[in-house]
Amino acid sequence: DIQLTQSPSFLSASVGDRVTITCRASQDINSYLAWYQQKPGEAPKLLIYAASTLQTGVPSSFSGSGSGTEFTLTISSLQPEDFATYYCQQFNSYPLTFGGGTKVEIK
Amino acid sequence: EVQLVESGGGLVQPGGSLRLSCAASGFTFSNYFMSWVRQAPGKGLEWVANIKQDGSVKYYMDSVKGRFTISRDNAESSLFLQMNSLGAEDTAVYYCARYVRASALYYIDFWGQGTLVTVSS
Repeated sequence: DIQLTQSPSFLSASVGDRVTITCRASQDINSYLAWYQQKPGEAPKLLIYAASTLQTGVPSSFSGSGSGTEFTLTISSLQPEDFATYYCQQFNSYPLTFGGGTKVEIK
Repeated sequence: EVQLVESGGGLVQPGGSLRLSCAASGFTFSNYFMSWVRQAPGKGLEWVANIKQDGSVKYYMDSVKGRFTISRDNAESSLFLQMNSLGAEDTAVYYCARYVRASALYYIDFWGQGTLVTVSS
């Protein structure tokens, strides 16, 4: 199974900060990676797919990059509504797997 | 508007069974793979199962193989998850999700609100 390791698992930041979350895969997954945002009590929401393609309707402050085994999600300027938990997911092979999540909290 | 509405969750005793349903609307259900994803209380997301558009191919995570069965009814735009031999480790919110698989693109783009399954005596 492909393991996805997200870092950090917890991040404290201020409004306006630039935030970067990393997702490392245990083997090459090409660009078959998506990023999701989840707020408490809500379903996850797709942000990025194919490692770097922004889902329709997602603010351009979000961006994704990477291929192979190392990927990043960047929020260029953190907004109050961005405080949430973020997950990566790989689609290279079954079983599909998620990273452990990164919780972004207000400093 | 894409909508996925899960139902069928609840409290079940260890060793028991439960059948989850997901009613889909706002898109051509038969054109999409579908997924079940779960989330234990306070924990991360865990993919459970996928089913191909015509139901001919199914994939499962190892820990549910032989216990869970994913199925669909395209005429009714419905997805199901039959869960047998449930254990405490299956306690989670179960999400129905639309899985996009096209032109070498793969991702889950819509999720239902989830249904809670609690396995406890």
